[in-house]
Amino acid sequence: DIQMTQSPSSLSASVGDRVTITCRASQYISTDFNWYQKKPGKAPNLLISAASSLQSGVPSRFSGSGSGTDFTLTINSLQPEDFATYYCQQTYSTPHTFGQGTKLEI
Amino acid sequence: QVQLVQSGADVKKPGASVKISCKASGYTFTNYYIYWVRQAPGQGLEWMGMINPSGGSTTYAQQLLGRVTLTRDTSTTTAYLDLDSLTSDDTALYYCARSSDRYSGYDYWGQGTLVTVSS
Repeated sequence: DIQMTQSPSSLSASVGDRVTITCRASQYISTDFNWYQKKPGKAPNLLISAASSLQSGVPSRFSGSGSGTDFTLTINSLQPEDFATYYCQQTYSTPHTFGQGTKLEI
Repeated sequence: QVQLVQSGADVKKPGASVKISCKASGYTFTNYYIYWVRQAPGQGLEWMGMINPSGGSTTYAQQLLGRVTLTRDTSTTTAYLDLDSLTSDDTALYYCARSSDRYSGYDYWGQGTLVTVSS
């Protein structure tokens, strides 16, 4: 199985800040890589697919980059609704493993 | 509009089985893979398996092999997750989700089904 390692596991920030979350795959995964936002009791929400493609309806302050094994999610100008847990996922091969999550706190 | 609507919460005793449904609407059911993902309390997301509704082929997470079965009914556009021999470790929120192909992100998700395993 491909292991996905996110960092940091938690992050404190303020409204208006810029934050970056990274994810590293244990082997090459091209750009078969996604970022999700998850809030308690809600289903995950796909933010970015194919490493850098912003999903329809997702604010442009979210952006993703990377390929191969190293990937980054950047959130510019944090808004109150952005405080959540973020997960990375590889869809290069099954099982489609997730990172352990990054909890973004105020 | 695309919707995945899951069956309601369930409480099971250890050793029992659970069956969760995921009713799809608003799109062509057989054109999208269905995945199952769970989240135990305080834990991260765990991928459980996938089914291709077109032909019914399945892939399961290694750690669940022998206990999990994914099926679908194309006539009712519903996917099902069966999980046997439940233990307290299976207490979790279970989600179905879809993607257009096996390399894409999961763009629509069900609302989640809470399964509690308790004696």
